[in-house]
Formats: sequence, structure tokens, C-alpha cells
Amino acid sequence: SAVISQKPSRDICQRGTSLTIQCQVDSQVTMMFWYRQQPGQSLTLIATANQGSEATYESGFVIDKFPISRPNLTFSTLTVSNMSPEDSSIYLCSVLNYGYTFGSGTRLTVV
Amino acid sequence: GQQVMQIPQYQHVQEGEDFTTYCNSSTTLSNIQWYKQRPGGHPVFLIQLVKSGEVKKQKRLTFQFGEAKKNSSLHITATQTTDVGTYFCAGFTGTASKLTFGTGTRLQVTL
Repeated sequence: SAVISQKPSRDICQRGTSLTIQCQVDSQVTMMFWYRQQPGQSLTLIATANQGSEATYESGFVIDKFPISRPNLTFSTLTVSNMSPEDSSIYLCSVLNYGYTFGSGTRLTVV
Repeated sequence: GQQVMQIPQYQHVQEGEDFTTYCNSSTTLSNIQWYKQRPGGHPVFLIQLVKSGEVKKQKRLTFQFGEAKKNSSLHITATQTTDVGTYFCAGFTGTASKLTFGTGTRLQVTL
């Protein structure tokens, strides 16, 4: 199965700033998925990132807040913009093999 | 939209006791997957069920997909402390690659 390197693993950020999370996959994949997991909660899909096209966002998530880049078939970034404490969560990228393979996650705390 | 609920939300068992988590979808699923997330970790794929009424076993874990393909269960026989974590079911509807995660069941095992 694919191996995903995600960074940073954690960060503490000031409100109003932005953080870019990177995911590198060891093989080419068509779609990459970005999830958010709030403390003690389940995973919620933010968006699906396809190479060469705009990301597809789920209800409640907008491009201005969570811009995504997908420059090639092995890499994607998610930016959390103009952060507020409500954005404190774990952010995970994933790819679909047989099951989904997840990156190790980015634990974001906004103060 | 599609909702996937799991019960119980939390269960605490003594090592050696059995454990079952139940997963119920508001819509018919094309297939269902199960994931385990250790405390502080990321979700790890366990198994996928596709056929109505399908039963699969992995050592002490037994997975079942309901006849109507709207529910599923995970049963662990003789729990061990290594089983500690949160178990998520996740379902696909139709041909979409989007996975909807269940609410999760957190399992605590003590000696």
C-alpha cells in the first residue's frame, strides 16, 4: 500500500495566521483526500484533490478558507487560512488503495 | 445527506471479554470498511466488506455486513490491551469514491 509523509506533525499557531500542510505519497495517485478530525470526533471530509483540476469541496468547507494545491500525482497541500481557535483539529490527508491510507496527521492548535 | 452511526460510543471491558460495535447507515452502502485508530494515531484500514451478508474474520476480529447493506458489525473475541483504540466503520454509496465515516466506538481494555 502507499506510504504518505505528512508534515508538520503538529503546530501551534496564532489566530489570523495561515498554516500549510504538505502530503507526499510514494506512488502516483489520481485523487487525494483531506479530512478534519476534531478532538474526540469522527473524520469529516474537507475536499478531494485531483491533479490538474480544482479541488472538490464538501458542504461547509470553502476554497477561500481551505485552499488546496495538487501540482502533481504524488503531492498535495492544504492551507488553513485566517485561523481561529475553532480550526484546532487534526488534519489528515489520505489516498485510496484498497482501503484508505492516511498520513500521520497534523495536530493544529490555534491560540 | 448520508449518516453513519455507531453504537456504543464508548465501551470499557476487562481483558478477555468480548466486544462488539454496531454500525448503521441511513442509506444503502455499496461497501463498508473498518478502521482502527490508536490513541494519538491515525486511522488504519482493517477490512472491506462488499457482499450482502458477508462475514470475514481476521484472527480474533469478525466483521459482518448486513443483508440490506445498511448495517455492519465488528466483534472482537477475548479482547487484549492491544485492542485499545477507536473503531470506525466507513461506507461508500453508489460509485462515489467519497467515504463517509461512522461516529466511532472507543474501546478501553483493562487488565
